Amino acid sequence: RKEVEQDPGPFNVPEGATVAFNCTYSNSASQSFFWYRQDCRKEPKLLMSVYSSGNEDGRFTAQLNRASQYISLLIRDSKLSDSATYLCVVAYYGQNFVFGPGTRLSVLP
Amino acid sequence: SAVISQKPSRDICQRGTSLTIQCQVDSQVTMMFWYRQQPGQSLTLIATANQGSEATYESGFVIDKFPISRPNLTFSTLTVSNMSPEDSSIYLCSARTSGSNEQFFGPGTRLTVL
Repeated sequence: RKEVEQDPGPFNVPEGATVAFNCTYSNSASQSFFWYRQDCRKEPKLLMSVYSSGNEDGRFTAQLNRASQYISLLIRDSKLSDSATYLCVVAYYGQNFVFGPGTRLSVLP
Repeated sequence: SAVISQKPSRDICQRGTSLTIQCQVDSQVTMMFWYRQQPGQSLTLIATANQGSEATYESGFVIDKFPISRPNLTFSTLTVSNMSPEDSSIYLCSARTSGSNEQFFGPGTRLTVL
C-alpha cells in the first residue's frame, strides 16, 4: 500500500461547482498535513496546511480525521483558475514530506 | 519564504553523457532536496542534500548515478550521470527550514535524453 493515496481524478466540474478531494495516509505517526497545488508545467506550491480542528481559507476548507487517517479538501464556488493538480502531503516531525500522486481538477466554463 | 532558481531550465542531451543541474536558494535553509517528476506523475524524492557530507539517497537511487553536492546552506547540484532515455524527466530542487511547514520548489529542469 502506498504511503499517501488520493482520488485518481481527473475531476471535470463546471464553474461555480463545489468539489471535494480525498486523501488517505498509512502511517499513523504522521504529524503534519498539507495541500499543495501544482499548475501545469509549474512547480508545486503550498495551498494550505491542515489542522486537527479543520481550517478554512476563503473558498477552501481542509479537514483531518486522524482516527481514519483521512484528509479532505473542499473547494466551493470553483473558478477557472482553480484548474490544477492538488497534492496531498504528509510528514512526520522533522522528516521528509511524502507527496501523494495528486488529483487533477479541470474547471470548465 | 524562499525563492529557488535552477539552471538550466531545460536541456536535450545525448545518451551516455552527464548533466549537472544547479540549484540556488535566496536564503539559508536547513534542508535541500532533489525530486524527479515524470510527465503526469507525482514527485519522487531522489535524495536529501546534506551540507558538507554525503547526500541521503532514497531507495532506487544511488550516488554513482546521481551525485549530489551541497557546499553551503544555499547551493546544491545534482548530476545525472551516463544518461539514458529513461532519465528524461523534470528534476526539481526543493528546500525547507527545519521546523517550517512550507517546502519551496524551484521551477524545475526539463531533461530530454535522446
